[in-house]
Amino acid sequence: AQSVTQLGSHVSVSEGALVLLRCNYSSSVPPYLFWYVQYPNQGLQLLLKYTTGATLVKGINGFEAEFKKSETSFHLTKPSAHMSDAAEYFCAVSPSGTYKYIFGTGTRLKVLA
Amino acid sequence: GAVVSQHPSWVICKSGTSVKIECRSLDFQATTMFWYRQFPKQSLMLMATSNEGSKATYEQGVEKDKFLINHASLTLSTLTVTSAHPEDSSFYICSARGSGLAGGYEQYFGPGTRLTVT
Repeated sequence: AQSVTQLGSHVSVSEGALVLLRCNYSSSVPPYLFWYVQYPNQGLQLLLKYTTGATLVKGINGFEAEFKKSETSFHLTKPSAHMSDAAEYFCAVSPSGTYKYIFGTGTRLKVLA
Repeated sequence: GAVVSQHPSWVICKSGTSVKIECRSLDFQATTMFWYRQFPKQSLMLMATSNEGSKATYEQGVEKDKFLINHASLTLSTLTVTSAHPEDSSFYICSARGSGLAGGYEQYFGPGTRLTVT
């Protein structure tokens, strides 16, 4: 069965510092990959996605992620954290041939002043 | 575009009663709708997948008689929690995909419904 691993359930960074949230998936066939952000008591907002083509994907709010097939990874980065980035982040994969999503366990990002 | 709404946003009901949650795609036709459940500080767990006009497909371990899903039109799916109990209290999120949107593989999420059973 496919799985998604997000290393670090909690990540703290200082305001202005680099944000790195890790996501690894298990699949022999590259799936579609997504990063979502969730604020308290709200639904999920798409940050970015990878389907095909360029492996470096740029999303909203200054976030980007790079698909690395050899490492089966899709880590999320942002050069400079902002207080408003504090939220829960979910990596999701949609295996080839299915429309279902498999979510990672989530990473709660805390931004320190 | 691709907006999904849910109603109500929060609901409190008494143990033993049933509660219905609506999920609507506002500006596209939803070929498939998905229902997720999220416990506090946890990830989303897929409960079921529904296609318009057909029976929902439930994930393993989800009681289909307790969580009734109806996808009567291309813009509306409902989740009814029957004979609710306190352990059903959770955050329920729906999503939808449209065959003509983003290749059909992307899901668009609703804002969620907070259910509290007393």
